[in-house]
Amino acid sequence: KQEVTQIPAALSVPEGENLVLNCSFTDSAIYNLQWFRQDPGKGLTSLLLIQSSQREQTSGRLNASLDKSSGRSTLYIAASQPGDSATYLCAVNSGGGADGLTFGKGTHLIIQP
Amino acid sequence: NAGVTQTPKFQVLKTGQSMTLQCAQDMNHEYMSWYRQDPGMGLRLIHYSVGAGITDQGEVPNGYNVSRSTTEDFPLRLLSAAPSQTSVYFCASSNTPGGPYETQYFGPGTRLLVL
Repeated sequence: KQEVTQIPAALSVPEGENLVLNCSFTDSAIYNLQWFRQDPGKGLTSLLLIQSSQREQTSGRLNASLDKSSGRSTLYIAASQPGDSATYLCAVNSGGGADGLTFGKGTHLIIQP
Repeated sequence: NAGVTQTPKFQVLKTGQSMTLQCAQDMNHEYMSWYRQDPGMGLRLIHYSVGAGITDQGEVPNGYNVSRSTTEDFPLRLLSAAPSQTSVYFCASSNTPGGPYETQYFGPGTRLLVL
């Protein structure tokens, strides 16, 4: 059974810093990996999706990488802003069906003004 | 374009009561799914549908029923609510019929408290 782990569970950094969030998964046979953002009391917003054949995806100040063979992904946030404060979730698609997406427990990020 | 909508936003039930959580999407997506989010557990798949008339079980289906009579709607029914079903429920949809192979769009969630 696929398991997804996110480290750290919580992170607090000053505004302007570059930071990296980590995601690891136990089964490398995946179709894709998605990074989501969740604000308190809100739903999930998709940030980036990386297909298994891709190494990285970029959107604005966000860059996500994927190393399928080692079961790892990172989300890099450049020049962090207070508005980036949220919980970031990593989710792996191992083949649809009853597997759906397997989620990590998230990294709670606080950017200090 | 409203995306994925869920009603109600919040609900309190007594043990044994039944209710239906509504989910609708206006993107003509074939694949729809329901997840529950519990503290310290992450999101877990309850049921999913790959198209109208087709539904199947996810990781934690017990106590829940679903149906998919139209492409737009995917309601989740709690037959006899239990305190263990206290959670936040999210509905999601995506553009590919076979599964979540593309970007997943999530609704705002329904917070359910079972007393």
